[in-house]
Formats: sequence, structure tokens, C-alpha cells
Amino acid sequence: TQLLEQSPQFLSIQEGENLTVYCNSSSVFSSLQWYRQEPGEGPVLLVTVVTGGEVKKLKRLTFQFGDARKDSSLHITAAQPGDTGLYLCAGDGFNAGNNRKLIWGLGTSLAVNP
Amino acid sequence: DAGVIQSPRHEVTEMGQEVTLRCKPISGHNSLFWYRQTMMRGLELLIYFNNNVPIDDSGMPEDRFSAKMPNASFSTLKIQPSEPRDSAVYFCASVGTGQETQYFGPGTRLLVL
Repeated sequence: TQLLEQSPQFLSIQEGENLTVYCNSSSVFSSLQWYRQEPGEGPVLLVTVVTGGEVKKLKRLTFQFGDARKDSSLHITAAQPGDTGLYLCAGDGFNAGNNRKLIWGLGTSLAVNP
Repeated sequence: DAGVIQSPRHEVTEMGQEVTLRCKPISGHNSLFWYRQTMMRGLELLIYFNNNVPIDDSGMPEDRFSAKMPNASFSTLKIQPSEPRDSAVYFCASVGTGQETQYFGPGTRLLVL
């Protein structure tokens, strides 16, 4: 069974601080997506990483895919209160019936305090 | 453009009652996914359709759950009879042809008493 573990589960920081959250697995994924979910809303895609070692930047957010395509990290520089939300990673994998499906982590709940 | 539309946004019902959740995907999208989200288990895929045909329903917890997609612009998820452990937020998401990005609706927050 393919699993994605996210850490930390909860993170509360002050505005202006830097942070990194992680998404780890023992399985290889062909691609990995990061989503942000705000309270009362559905997840919204931030980025997709495909190539091992790939780094993508989205303003103050930096995403990295591990060389072996088993893990990923999200680094936020100078966090803002607007970054508050649940950060979810999802890997492109397969279920027990060999049907293609997204494997979801449980998420990191981030609170940025002003 | 309108995103994925779900109704109702909130539902409170009593154990044993039938619950029907509705979803209108983004126009032109050909894949539709139903998810359930809880604190303990996170996002769980229940079922997904491709061109209105159910492709993978292995995530449907038991026979009390059923889903239909009678046409490209509408899908329902029904729970009958409902139980307190079904309380969760249910999301619908759609994907365009040949695309990877899932576009989520705002969810239906279900509470079964």
C-alpha cells in the first residue's frame, strides 16, 4: 500500500518566520502535487513536480521533489497570515486494483500569527 | 467561470435518514471524483467517474453508499441509511480531458446525529 506521511502535523509560527514542511514515502511516485486548503473550502492545487530533484518556486513558496521521487518538501519564506491553511501533498500512484489514483497525505495545518 | 458546485453546503440529519449530496462539475471536464475528509483519515477517495462511467469504486465504504452520474453535468452521492460515523466533509472534484489538476468544490459538511 502506498502511503504519504506529512510532517509536522501542526505548525504555528509568527509572521515573517521561515518554515519547511515535508511529505515522505517509501514508494516512488511519477509526480507529486501540493495543495492548500483554507477553512470551509476545497483544496486548491499549488504546484506539480515531476522530475527527481526538481525545484519549483511560487513567489515565497519553494517546492522540491526528492531525487528518488519518494519525498518532497515545501519551504515558505517570510510567512504571512494569508499562508494559513492545510497543506496537502498527493502522489500519482495506484490502488490495490492497479487503478491509477492520487495518494493523499493527511496534511500539515499551518497557522501564521500576525 | 463557475467552479465545481456542490449542494447542500451543510446537512444535519438523524441516524437512519437518507442523505443525497449533489455535484455539478466544471463544464467540459470529463472526470469526476467524490472524496470524504475527516481529521483522522484525511482525504479518502470514494469513487471516480470517467465520461460518466464509474471507474473505481473501491473506496466506497459499504453498500449504504451509492453514487451516480446520469450525465456529464451532474452527479449524486447517496447514503442510505446514514450513521453518525458518516459525519465528515464530502468533496467533489473534476478534471479536464488529458489534464492532471483536480478542481475541488467547496464541500458538503455532513453531520449525522
